[in-house]
Amino acid sequence: AQSVSQHNHHVILSEAASLELGCNYSYGGTVNLFWYVQYPGQHLQLLLKYFSGDPLVKGIKGFEAEFIKSKFSFNLRKPSVQWSDTAEYFCAVMNYGGSQGNLIFGKGTKLSVKP
Amino acid sequence: DGGITQSPKYLFRKEGQNVTLSCEQNLNHDAMYWYRQDPGQGLRLIYYSQIVNDFQKGDIAEGYSVSREKKESFPLTVTSAQKNPTAFYLCASSAFGRTDTQYFGPGTRLTVL
Repeated sequence: AQSVSQHNHHVILSEAASLELGCNYSYGGTVNLFWYVQYPGQHLQLLLKYFSGDPLVKGIKGFEAEFIKSKFSFNLRKPSVQWSDTAEYFCAVMNYGGSQGNLIFGKGTKLSVKP
Repeated sequence: DGGITQSPKYLFRKEGQNVTLSCEQNLNHDAMYWYRQDPGQGLRLIYYSQIVNDFQKGDIAEGYSVSREKKESFPLTVTSAQKNPTAFYLCASSAFGRTDTQYFGPGTRLTVL
């Protein structure tokens, strides 16, 4: 079965530190890739997505992610985090295989940014 | 104001009772979805519907039922057969079917006492 792995359950950073959240998936075919964010008390929001083209994708609030097909990875990055980035981040992969079009989520990474 | 609404935000039910969660969207999206979110588990797909009067089981459909009588509405019933119903339930929709970007509602937190 396809799966999505997020390497860190909880990341704690100080403001202005750089962020990289890992995401790897197991499906070998064509995929669409997503990062969603869930701020405390708010609904799940789309941060960025990759469907095709430039593997370096820029999203909202200064976030970016790089699709590395050979590594089955789609890591999320931000050069300098802010306290307002405190949230839970979910990587999700949509495959075109057996479970066609199913969006498979990772278990999430909680980010806590200390002011 | 376009979007996805879910009601209620919090819901409490006694064990053994069925309960229906509401999901409405005014985005004119074709496809709608129900997910369950548990702490440390990410989101898991319960049911999805790509068109009115049609829906398919997701990965964890047992103990749940849905209907899609109108394009804008996709209610989820949590039945007494669901062994562990206490969870956060998220509804989503996408414009052109399952290969399109999904957008999420605010969720309903169900607690079964």
